[in-house]
Amino acid sequence: QSALTQPASVSGSPGQSITISCTGTSSDVGGYNYVSWYQQHPGKAPKLMIYDVSNRPSGVSNRFSGSKSGNTASLTISGLQAEDEADYYCSSYRSSSTLDVVFGGGTKLTVL
Amino acid sequence: EVQLVESGGGLVQPGRSLRLSCAASGFTFDDYAMHWVRQAPGKGLEWVSGINWNSGTIGYADSVKGRFTISRDNAKNSLYLQMNSLRVEDTALYYCAKDKDYDPRGIDYWGQGTLVTVSS
Repeated sequence: QSALTQPASVSGSPGQSITISCTGTSSDVGGYNYVSWYQQHPGKAPKLMIYDVSNRPSGVSNRFSGSKSGNTASLTISGLQAEDEADYYCSSYRSSSTLDVVFGGGTKLTVL
Repeated sequence: EVQLVESGGGLVQPGRSLRLSCAASGFTFDDYAMHWVRQAPGKGLEWVSGINWNSGTIGYADSVKGRFTISRDNAKNSLYLQMNSLRVEDTALYYCAKDKDYDPRGIDYWGQGTLVTVSS
């Protein structure tokens, strides 16, 4: 059960845009539109930011957007703000004979 | 408001057992799949186990298969994780999490977690 691949860290200045990638296989990211993205601040529980590749839950800023191409999903944050500094994780449903879910290793976003 | 409250964590010796519970409220529990996700200190999220709405589909991470058992009691709005043969590497904050669908499609809500420490 290999984890999805994310960059360990990304950074950007306030107002800029950044993109975090999440690479899997045709058995998970590439095979289903069940990719989610989570934001986690230190000492806090994760928070859902994007579900089903590109949908935003109610209350999440429209500065957050998601997309997918082949086996790679992406989270883009535009108009970076200081409060966006956090860890970000992608997750996907994975085809299996049983129930299977996989997470990415996480990306630390630093707002410079 | 969705609430997930975990309990049952604590300090346990290697090889021993522990049972985690999750009390759910604020939604129709038996309409949704549920999961356990853990996070070792300073590490990332790791999916541990999941169960669909009627317990008909269950899955485990390879790291816990054969040692952990997930279950749910829809009448009590509760999710459980029986953890046997615990190892030092099972030390983590264990989150109870709700799926957005009756079959697993993606987690939409998380509890605050319960800490499990495995140490002699």
